[in-house]
Amino acid sequence: KQEVTQIPAALSVPEGENLVLNCSFTDSAIYNLQWFRQDPGKGLTSLLLIQSSQREQTSGRLNASLDKSSGRSTLYIAASQPGDSATYLCAVPAGSNDYKLSFGAGTTVTVRA
Amino acid sequence: DTGVSQDPRHKITKRGQNVTFRCDPISEHNRLYWYRQTLGQGPEFLTYFQNEAQLEKSRLLSDRFSAERPKGSFSTLEIQRTEQGDSAMYLCASSLTGMATEAFFGQGTRLTVV
Repeated sequence: KQEVTQIPAALSVPEGENLVLNCSFTDSAIYNLQWFRQDPGKGLTSLLLIQSSQREQTSGRLNASLDKSSGRSTLYIAASQPGDSATYLCAVPAGSNDYKLSFGAGTTVTVRA
Repeated sequence: DTGVSQDPRHKITKRGQNVTFRCDPISEHNRLYWYRQTLGQGPEFLTYFQNEAQLEKSRLLSDRFSAERPKGSFSTLEIQRTEQGDSAMYLCASSLTGMATEAFFGQGTRLTVV
């Protein structure tokens, strides 16, 4: 069974600092990895999708890396802003299914002005 | 079409009542999923549709839960005889058919059973 872990559970940084969020998974035979953002009481917004053949993916201030062999992904957010405060979740397709996502519990980020 | 739409956004119901939620996926997406999320946890998979066919149901989906996707368009999730443990955020997602395509989620329905 695929297990996804995100450490730390919470993070508080001053505005302008770079954020580093970690995600680890137990089964390295993944098709891809997806990072999501969730604001309190809201749904999930897809941030980045990295295919298994890719090492990294970038979108604006966001950069996600993937190391399948070690079962890790890292989401970097450059020059954090108070508007980046949210919970960030990573997810991978579970086992042999390419559609059913296994999620971590998320990292809740607070960016202090 | 701006994304996955869910209705209602919030539902408060008394224990023992039935509730039904609706999800409208992105129009060209064949795949539709339901997930449940409790406080402080990541979403957990409930069920999956490919067009109108329900292809997988999680063991989390007890007999009190039923989901449909008539004509392969919108989907409904019904919970009968609600229990306090059913209180959670119910999330719907959709994606294109294909190997591990990107999933897009709706805003969720927050259910509170009192």
